Amino acid sequence: ELKVEQNPLFLSMQEGKNYTIYCNYSTTSDRLYWYRQDPGKSLESLFVLLSNGAVKQEGRLMASLDTKARLSTLHITAAVHDLSATYFCAVVRNRDDKIIFGKGTRLHILP
Amino acid sequence: NAGVMQNPRHLVRRRGQEARLRCSPMKGHSHVYWYRQLPEEGLKFMVYLQKENIIDESGMPKERFSAEFPKEGPSILRIQQVVRGDSAAYFCASSPIRDRAFYEQYFGPGTRLTVT
Repeated sequence: ELKVEQNPLFLSMQEGKNYTIYCNYSTTSDRLYWYRQDPGKSLESLFVLLSNGAVKQEGRLMASLDTKARLSTLHITAAVHDLSATYFCAVVRNRDDKIIFGKGTRLHILP
Repeated sequence: NAGVMQNPRHLVRRRGQEARLRCSPMKGHSHVYWYRQLPEEGLKFMVYLQKENIIDESGMPKERFSAEFPKEGPSILRIQQVVRGDSAAYFCASSPIRDRAFYEQYFGPGTRLTVT
């Protein structure tokens, strides 16, 4: 059974600091997504990671994937208040393509 | 190209009433997925449909919940005799094809159901 665990679940940080959110998953997968969700809103796709060693960057966010360790990281560089949101990691289950979500990391960036 | 559309955005029902949630996929998308999000949780898969066909309903509660995606019109998630525990955000997502190399789901804005 594929399980997806994120940590931390809550993170409060100062503007200008760097931090990393971790996503571990329990069985092999070909595809991993990172989404952002603002309160009361839908999910916005940030990154799709398909292969071992994949690294993608968009602005202050960088995502990486290590399929051997079954670990993805979302790194935030020099955080700004606008990045406050909940970030979800989601992994595709190979046997039926179902997307399994982590519980999300609620990120609060203090001005 | 409009995105995935859901309506209503907010729905309040009293216990025992029926809730009908609608989802219109993106143009050209023939695959629809429904997810439920409880407070402080990630999304949980409920059902996957193609036109006139339920492909996978393994995440649907056994009773009171049903889904359809007719040949014409939106996909509908129907909850009969709602209870307080049904209060959640329900998201619909659509995708164009099942080509795994390019597979991605696009999410709608969600329907927030409150059962009083």
